[in-house]
Amino acid sequence: QKEVEQDPGPLSVPEGAIVSLNCTYSNSAFQYFMWYRQYSRKGPELLMYTYSSGNKEDGRFTAQVDKSSKYISLFIRDSQPSDSATYLCAMTTNTGFQKLVFGTGTRLLVSP
Amino acid sequence: SQTIHQWPATLVQPVGSPLSLECTVEGTSNPNLYWYRQAAGRGLQLLFYSVGIGQISSEVPQNLSASRPQDRQFILSSKKLLLSDSGFYLCAWGTGTNGYTFGSGTRLTVV
Repeated sequence: QKEVEQDPGPLSVPEGAIVSLNCTYSNSAFQYFMWYRQYSRKGPELLMYTYSSGNKEDGRFTAQVDKSSKYISLFIRDSQPSDSATYLCAMTTNTGFQKLVFGTGTRLLVSP
Repeated sequence: SQTIHQWPATLVQPVGSPLSLECTVEGTSNPNLYWYRQAAGRGLQLLFYSVGIGQISSEVPQNLSASRPQDRQFILSSKKLLLSDSGFYLCAWGTGTNGYTFGSGTRLTVV
């Protein structure tokens, strides 16, 4: 079993839809949770960052962490064609070297 | 501000040829540096990381090696490329708790 599981998609939605992207994980020691966005042929860029449990909102994006269920989500409201990309979750502990563990990424396609 | 440079952007190399990919970081000192490979449609595979000059940790046994000759320079090398070395190579810097900043990547095709 992988430490972090993420549905590869693709997830296809119409413009304006609410998108829900999810990851599950097995290591209960994970404390830092991130979402990266990667456009085709580009490097990933940090989109959202959350420490421990709870929600964080930034514009159209909301990140949620449910540590009891070992489940994190990224919601995109009013999705735009420019949101079409691969979204990778990443997480790490707060001890040791703290390498980020990445999910495999979910490809999102938003059609106009 | 911190920036990360990676080159070349695209590379086509014959099987058996050597490889050298370079990554440099500006605006920070003693960064943690990482090399990742991303195969088509697959996730990020951590190849090497470095916490300081001359300190290299290898994550997977393979045909590649890494070196860090200067504080903000990270080099990925191979003496003889294999077809299976094709992929998208990404350099990154940062810490797990603050997140990584990735370079723009090198698309390597071994023919």
